[in-house]
Order: sequence, then structure tokens, then C-alpha cells
Amino acid sequence: DAGVIQSPRHEVTEMGQEVTLRCKPISGHNSLFWYRQTMMRGLELLIYFNNNVPIDDSGMPEDRFSAKMPNASFSTLKIQPSEPRDSAVYFCASNGRRLNTEAFFGQGTRLTVV
Amino acid sequence: KQEVTQIPAALSVPEGENLVLNCSFTDSAIYNLQWFRQDPGKGLTSLLLIQSSQREQTSGRLNASLDKSSGRSTLYIAASQPGDSATYLCAVRRRGGADGLTFGKGTHLIIQP
Repeated sequence: DAGVIQSPRHEVTEMGQEVTLRCKPISGHNSLFWYRQTMMRGLELLIYFNNNVPIDDSGMPEDRFSAKMPNASFSTLKIQPSEPRDSAVYFCASNGRRLNTEAFFGQGTRLTVV
Repeated sequence: KQEVTQIPAALSVPEGENLVLNCSFTDSAIYNLQWFRQDPGKGLTSLLLIQSSQREQTSGRLNASLDKSSGRSTLYIAASQPGDSATYLCAVRRRGGADGLTFGKGTHLIIQP
């Protein structure tokens, strides 16, 4: 398996534009997580899906952030409109059917909003 | 709310030394604890996973221990090498509530050749 795949790897956009980040989890994994990493706050959980259903989105910072998982092999995280303070590295991770197994992370998307 | 603390924040040691990285968490009700390595500009690589019922896990030169009742874990690296230079992150998965991982801020490790 190629692991968790995220795209794009880097994104530079202007303030106010819509940004869409994409994630393909490991095949067979049924839990998917979106995290954000900044120097100040470290890694923070944004939202968690189980069997394509959002379970906990309490970490989503504002209504400008939304996430979907239309099927078991694809998820998106959208920011509309984007702001400079959204600049961070966004990671997607997936887990097997039991949460006591390892979480595997993608390479991340480095987002810069200017 | 679960909080994870890693000490030290940064560490620089000569090659060949054995070293210990520390992780503490405030809520002992956890599913498991996972140690990750992160190289600059890269994603997270899983190193070791310890279930809440386990005391330690070993992989090569790495050994991780867990004392759930006291809310502590250590990562022991034997015979350190320059290639071990990276940021090491500790994360716990809570039992109940949100099922994502709660991370510490990491220990930035430099092994001097």
C-alpha cells in the first residue's frame, strides 16, 4: 500500500480564496482524521470520520472550515474564505478498524495564505 | 481535557550516547500511546505503539515504556546515531470522547557526529 496520500503537497493562495485539501486513506482503514500543525500550537485534531461519517468536529476552528468524506477512499478539507492565520501544515491520518491499532499519517499539505 | 507534555523540548548529544525522552499526560484513561518521528518538512512516521494494558514495546534500538497510572511514558534510544536526529512526538488516544490523538509538542533531537 502507498500509505496515506495527500494532495497538494504545497499550496499558496491569496486571502479570501477557497482552498481544498485532499486525502486518500490506506485501503481498508475505516477511520480518518484531519490535523493541523503550527509552531505555536503543535498538532491539533480538527475532525474525525468513522465509516465515512463525521464523529467529532469540535476541533474545526470556524465555520470557514468544512470536511467531507463521500466514500471510504477519499476525503476533503475545505477552507472558504481562507485567511493568513490558516497558514499551517495540514495532515491526514487513517486507522484500521480497531482504534487500538497504529495511526498512519500522510506527508501533509503546507498551506500558505498571503 | 487531556494534555500531553514532552520534556525536554530540545536535546543535543554526541553520537553513541544512550538517551531518554519523556512524555507525560494528565488523563490516565487512554486506549494507547504512540511515539512518532518527524523529519523537517515531512510527515509523521510511527515508531512504537503501546496499548494501555502493556508496559513496554521494543523495536531495534528503541524501547518505549508506559506507566499509565502515573501518566508517563519514556522513549529510550540506545547507541544514538546522526540519523536519529529528528523531532520525536508522543501522542495518546483517549478512551471515550473524541477518538483522535492528543499530541505533545515534541522533543527536537540533534545527534552530533
